[in-house]
Amino acid sequence: DTGVSQDPRHKITKRGQNVTFRCDPISEHNRLYWYRQTLGQGPEFLTYFQNEAQLEKSRLLSDRFSAERPKGSFSTLEIQRTEQGDSAMYLCASSVGLAGANEQYFGPGTRLTVT
Amino acid sequence: AQSVTQLGSHVSVSEGALVLLRCNYSSSVPPYLFWYVQYPNQGLQLLLKYTSAATLVKGINGFEAEFKKSETSFHLTKPSAHMRDAAEYFCAVGLPYNTDKLIFGTGTRLQVFP
Repeated sequence: DTGVSQDPRHKITKRGQNVTFRCDPISEHNRLYWYRQTLGQGPEFLTYFQNEAQLEKSRLLSDRFSAERPKGSFSTLEIQRTEQGDSAMYLCASSVGLAGANEQYFGPGTRLTVT
Repeated sequence: AQSVTQLGSHVSVSEGALVLLRCNYSSSVPPYLFWYVQYPNQGLQLLLKYTSAATLVKGINGFEAEFKKSETSFHLTKPSAHMRDAAEYFCAVGLPYNTDKLIFGTGTRLQVFP
């Protein structure tokens, strides 16, 4: 069990640029989640996949955000035309088990800084 | 709507003292409740979870939490703090039959003094 991995760990970009983050879940986990965490706050839910299907998206996920999980394995989160307000830690988590009761295993996060 | 309130953004204790981190939830249905810990520059790690079985839940690193429906609380305790317990602690609520998203509180930073 190598855990959930995220790449890159840190990203600095200029406002208006596009960025893409990758998440590799634990291999047998069929559920994958993206959260965003800003300074002094708890993680906020962004979106959720069960296998390759994206089943829920938060209102926080504007049109500039898109997430994919091709083949139900790794996932990517892309932010287009980044804004300074997008600066945050982006956390990925994966799980397997009964809905609502499962333990979500979190990756180390990708810290995005938009200058 | 579901929500979580963590009272006290910062808690300081001496090494060996009792740790008490407070969490109150709001939910229209019986929830599942979680405590996660986050060490600096790391992801979140599950400490313990309540899933409608025993109301007193024991977790890792000597932590435990008690689900009190009448008080809508799920406070986290540890009898004796260690320096290594210094971290950010998050309470979260999930719903049965939901899409599994967790609603997190704003966190409590625990400082442990020698």
